[in-house]
Amino acid sequence: EAGVTQSPTHLIKTRGQQVTLRCSPISGHTSVYWYQQALGLGLQFLLWYDEGEERNRGNFPPRFSGRQFPNYSSELNVNALELEDSALYLCASSSARGGMRNTEAFFGQGTRLTVV
Amino acid sequence: AQRVTQPEKLLSVFKGAPVELKCNYSYSGSPELFWYVQYSRQRLQLLLRHISRESIKGFTADLNKGETSFHLKKPFAQEEDSAMYYCAYSGAGSYQLTFGKGTKLSVIP
Repeated sequence: EAGVTQSPTHLIKTRGQQVTLRCSPISGHTSVYWYQQALGLGLQFLLWYDEGEERNRGNFPPRFSGRQFPNYSSELNVNALELEDSALYLCASSSARGGMRNTEAFFGQGTRLTVV
Repeated sequence: AQRVTQPEKLLSVFKGAPVELKCNYSYSGSPELFWYVQYSRQRLQLLLRHISRESIKGFTADLNKGETSFHLKKPFAQEEDSAMYYCAYSGAGSYQLTFGKGTKLSVIP
């Protein structure tokens, strides 16, 4: 069974640019979560999508946004990139609306974003 | 603010020695607590959760509501236990997890 897949694995952007990161959940999973893992800050919750709707977002500015498609894949968009956006962006999926609290969440390998 | 604290960034133990990875949380309700692990070049994965009361790979963790702790323990460390360990919790009514900053466990042969 394929796991959670993320693309691209690495990318470099310049300050002020926009970036789109992609995530494909495990087949049958309807919930997708995005986390930012910046150096020294641990995993910070960004966004949660379920059944195509944004269900919750973390304490991040509006230039972080995303969407979930009918096939449950998801995109994370970051506008007006800043140097401090450099981080590993992790996507996770889970099988039910009980979310990560009630069902096991499976993580992707992440996308390493470097902003210069 | 609701937080998960892992006081040690790095913990080094010798093979065969006991291991205790500390985790404290600040939450007044009834949280669900988890330990996630990331081995070298592998994905972050669930190790155990307090509600299942399982022992996984010899690790156990007991939720102590009085001390608001969920320490991860193993009586005899193995080299393959070397990894990054994250404590996480989910508060009542929350569907995502809040993670600690992680502790890197290094088991010395």
